[in-house]
Amino acid sequence: QSGLTQPASVSASPGQSITIFCTGTSSDVGDYNYVSWYQQHPGKAPQLIIYDVSNRPSGVSNRFSGSKSGNTATLTISGLQAEDEADYYCSSCRNRNSVVFGGGTKLTVL
Amino acid sequence: QVQLVQSGGEVKKPGASVKVSCKASGYPFTTNGVTWVRQAPGQGLEWLGWISGYNGDTHYAQNLQGRVTMTTDTSTSTAYMELRSLRSDDTAVYYCAKSRVVFPTRGEDYWGQGTLVTVSS
Repeated sequence: QSGLTQPASVSASPGQSITIFCTGTSSDVGDYNYVSWYQQHPGKAPQLIIYDVSNRPSGVSNRFSGSKSGNTATLTISGLQAEDEADYYCSSCRNRNSVVFGGGTKLTVL
Repeated sequence: QVQLVQSGGEVKKPGASVKVSCKASGYPFTTNGVTWVRQAPGQGLEWLGWISGYNGDTHYAQNLQGRVTMTTDTSTSTAYMELRSLRSDDTAVYYCAKSRVVFPTRGEDYWGQGTLVTVSS
């Protein structure tokens, strides 16, 4: 089975908002409220920014928010800042005990 | 503070095995699990599997079944990931990460620094 589908890239100017979609199937995103989002800067390890669809870990800015509708999860970043420029990955539970990632989205802050 | 410190980079020949370690500190090792993820050069993240720090239960990615083994040593709070029959497409940075809860699918909140494994003849 293939991974989750994300756009390869998105871009926006500082202060604007962006949305990244993560599309799966009824066997993963659509079946579980266990979607996570990660931010990864070049040469660094990923950082968890959203878990269980819409929850933020302690210390993560409230400019990051997540939601889900059907087989598609969404990450929204509001008030874009230069430091938000990074790769973003979604992941979901699939078949109860395994995890599948999206292909990643490169965010460019213009 | 929570830390996961991984072993150093490895260079292996095709067909060999590699074992990467991940020493955890700053939290009770047995109350969470450890997830392993890899990232090939210039590519995205790939989930390899998960092991419970509580009872050693494992769940592996289907495409690695039979080639990967994950273990823990609770006396040293260390997790291990062994990959056998290495191929060139196993070349990647391998990460361990602490699972947020003692289930494999609920997100990973702390990550190791990554271990580069290079497979080359």
